[in-house]
Parts: sequence; structure tokens; C-alpha cells
Amino acid sequence: NAGVTQTPKFRILKIGQSMTLQCTQDMNHNYMYWYRQDPGMGLKLIYYSVGAGITDKGEVPNGYNVSRSTTEDFPLRLELAAPSQTSVYFCASSKGESYNSPLHFGNGTRLTVT
Amino acid sequence: QKEVEQNSGPLSVPEGAIASLNCTYSDRGSQSFFWYRQYSGKSPELIMFIYSNGDKEDGRFTAQLNKASQYVSLLIRDSQPSDSATYLCAVNGSNFNKFYFGSGTKLNVKP
Repeated sequence: NAGVTQTPKFRILKIGQSMTLQCTQDMNHNYMYWYRQDPGMGLKLIYYSVGAGITDKGEVPNGYNVSRSTTEDFPLRLELAAPSQTSVYFCASSKGESYNSPLHFGNGTRLTVT
Repeated sequence: QKEVEQNSGPLSVPEGAIASLNCTYSDRGSQSFFWYRQYSGKSPELIMFIYSNGDKEDGRFTAQLNKASQYVSLLIRDSQPSDSATYLCAVNGSNFNKFYFGSGTKLNVKP
């Protein structure tokens, strides 16, 4: 199993550009998450999904959009990139449905907006 | 008020010593508590989790939970330089869909 796979690993965007961060998992997990991590900080939840067709906002959703058309994929869309979106983005998944299901993380996407 | 709080450190311990990492949380309905290790430039990796009051041991690691005090800790025995990393505490809230993370404690184990 590859686990959680994120692409790209690195990206530089100009202000105002858009891009999609890809995330796919092969563990048949129902729950998927997008977090961002700023330097020296913890993880902030952007969006999450408890199944195909269901998404919900986290703590910091502004400037982002998501969709979940399949169990495996959970892309994160950035529209009109801003310097404040410079961060490391982690996708994660969980079996869910119980309190004992930990998060499994992808390797992250390092995004710089200049 | 932050959901999950950790001392940012750095916490420095000599090789072979016990490292003690602490975490407090605000949601009394929280059910599960997770410790992740994150090396610089890498993604978080799960060390262990706990959901019952008391201690849970896994090799050199012991997680301790006190729900009445809303406190969870991680002890690392016989600390090694390879344990040097940032340790993130995560709490699964009363709505178990969401995981809240502390800002992490940086641990330095000196040879």
C-alpha cells in the first residue's frame, strides 16, 4: 500500500494564480483531511470529508475549496493565491467511525506564494 | 482559548535520560489522544494513542492520560539522539471527525 500520496512536493505560485493540490489514498479510508502547517506552528485544519460527496469546513477554510467525488481522492483548490497561503500542506486520512482511528499523513506539499 | 496547548520548548535532555512531554486540552468531551513525532521537513508519524485514564506503554514510550485534569503526557525512556524531533499532541474532539493539534514541543537529545 502506498498510503496517502500528495502531489506536487513543491510549488511556487505568483500572487493571484490558482492551483490544485492532489491527494489520494489507497487504504479505503472514509475520512480525509487537509491541514496546513506554518513554520514553528501546529497543524490547522482547512477542510475535511467523511465520505464521497460530503465535505465540511475546518478552522481556516478561507481561500480554499475542496471536492470529494471518490473515496480515494480529495483535491484542495487554491483560488487567487496570496502570500498568506505560503505554507506546508498535509493531506491525511483516517478509517474514522471510532475514537481509535489515527490520522495517516501524506508527505506534504511545500507551497510558496510570491 | 487554544484547544490544545503544548510547551514549545526546546526541551533538552542528555542521552539515556527520560524526556517528559506535556499537553493540555480544553474540550472535556475529548475521547482520544494521539502523539505524533515530526522530524524537520517531514510529515507527522504516529507514535501512540491513548483513550483510557492511566498509562499506556509501547517500548520506550509511555503515554499518560488524566481526563479530570485534561492532561496528557508522553514519557520517552532511555532517550536517544534519534528521538530529537518535534512532538505533536493531537486530540480527537467530542465530534470525533475532527483532530486538533498543539503547536508541538521540540525535543533535543544531546549525546
